Amino acid sequence: EVQLVESGGGLIQPGGSLRLSCAASGFTVSDSYMSWVRQAPGKGLEWVSVIYRGDNTYYADSVKGRFTISRDNSKNTLYLQMNSLKVDDTAVYYCARRKSTTWTFDYWGQGTLVTVSS
Amino acid sequence: QSALTQPASVSGSPGQSITISCTGTSSDVGGYDYVSWYQQYPGRAPKVMIYDVSHRPSGVSNRFSGSKSGNTASLTISGLQAEDEADYYCSSYRGTNTLVVFGGGTRLTVL
Repeated sequence: EVQLVESGGGLIQPGGSLRLSCAASGFTVSDSYMSWVRQAPGKGLEWVSVIYRGDNTYYADSVKGRFTISRDNSKNTLYLQMNSLKVDDTAVYYCARRKSTTWTFDYWGQGTLVTVSS
Repeated sequence: QSALTQPASVSGSPGQSITISCTGTSSDVGGYDYVSWYQQYPGRAPKVMIYDVSHRPSGVSNRFSGSKSGNTASLTISGLQAEDEADYYCSSYRGTNTLVVFGGGTRLTVL
């Protein structure tokens, strides 16, 4: 059974850093395209970043230069390193697996809340 | 505001059909057949209901169907049931910079 479990969220001051983790089971992260998608309180979904099987990475303009997506194949875990955090980064962060050969997300984690506030 | 435009809310009575629209541009919805629809209950993760415009994942009711015309995609739910009351989001591949874009979401109320 495919499962994604995020962790690492919490309360952080503006300008601070946080690293989110997404532990995967039931499939191999390195064989998949993995993304982070966030949702601000009461708002819609926003795609954040993707890492391809070949390690290519892409980011939304809103986080480019501040966030870094990566994975640890030995731990089958996806990460999101978030630096220079802003109040507008406050959201539930979901990791999601892209379905093979198409651009839909077929499995999602339960999400982890990041609150950026002074 | 969101890259794709959806109505903020729609409603229908049990047994009726409703359609939710999702309008983008030729750079996303109109340019690729990678439109997806997600259902989200409060406090829960999204669940894909339709992918590649009109394909249903295994286990999703055939009451859900999708289509696309030009830059506008649509999700139709037939035979509305109380359990369909949720938020629905469309998404599309864009291909440059922001690879995936979402709609602002539509709250479906079953009267």
